[in-house]
Amino acid sequence: DGGITQSPKYLFRKEGQNVTLSCEQNLNHDAMYWYRQDPGQGLRLIYYSQIVNDFQKGDIAEGYSVSREKKESFPLTVTSAQKNPTAFYLCASSQGDTQYFGPGTRLTVL
Amino acid sequence: GQQLNQSPQSMFIQEGEDVSMNCTSSSIFNTWLWYKQDPGEGPVLLIALYKAGELTSNGRLTAQFGITRKDSFLNISASIPSDVGIYFCAGQLSTGGFKTIFGAGTRLFVKA
Repeated sequence: DGGITQSPKYLFRKEGQNVTLSCEQNLNHDAMYWYRQDPGQGLRLIYYSQIVNDFQKGDIAEGYSVSREKKESFPLTVTSAQKNPTAFYLCASSQGDTQYFGPGTRLTVL
Repeated sequence: GQQLNQSPQSMFIQEGEDVSMNCTSSSIFNTWLWYKQDPGEGPVLLIALYKAGELTSNGRLTAQFGITRKDSFLNISASIPSDVGIYFCAGQLSTGGFKTIFGAGTRLFVKA
């Protein structure tokens, strides 16, 4: 089954801890993305990667970090520097102009 | 930065009614995409439009890429309760770069 998987679905962390969200795709897409979604709002781009070993900051990159060591994987680390980390995080991938999304991870920082 | 204005913000309709929502921008887009998001899930692609003037259907859904390339609409005919969710438009700018711009979403509520 081709698709994008994100794990875990729900994640709880204490304030001040770093946490890494997983995103894997087996669609053989070159580009991958991370978005943040807050209640009642649209999607805001955190980071994106067009090819392996390369990534670019999006609109709200502060307090986040990523890596792209493999084509299939684009993990996102939410660091303690992120002021309001509680949100719904969406990973996407694309080949061309059309993006396809994973099921999302809801991160709650206590 | 670039903005997509999506309207309406929310809609409360009766089952069986038709629905129309749209997105506009001052920027020109090469691609328009429409997604639906169920609560707690990722957006699912409904329709992709790649050419100005293009009109595409997917079951009860119809979307059009505006002639000016600055707008798009999505119509849903004969709505049913499972149409409930958030509908997002998204556009890929014609000015190059790699970013897709998303609208803020239209929240659809359908009463049986």
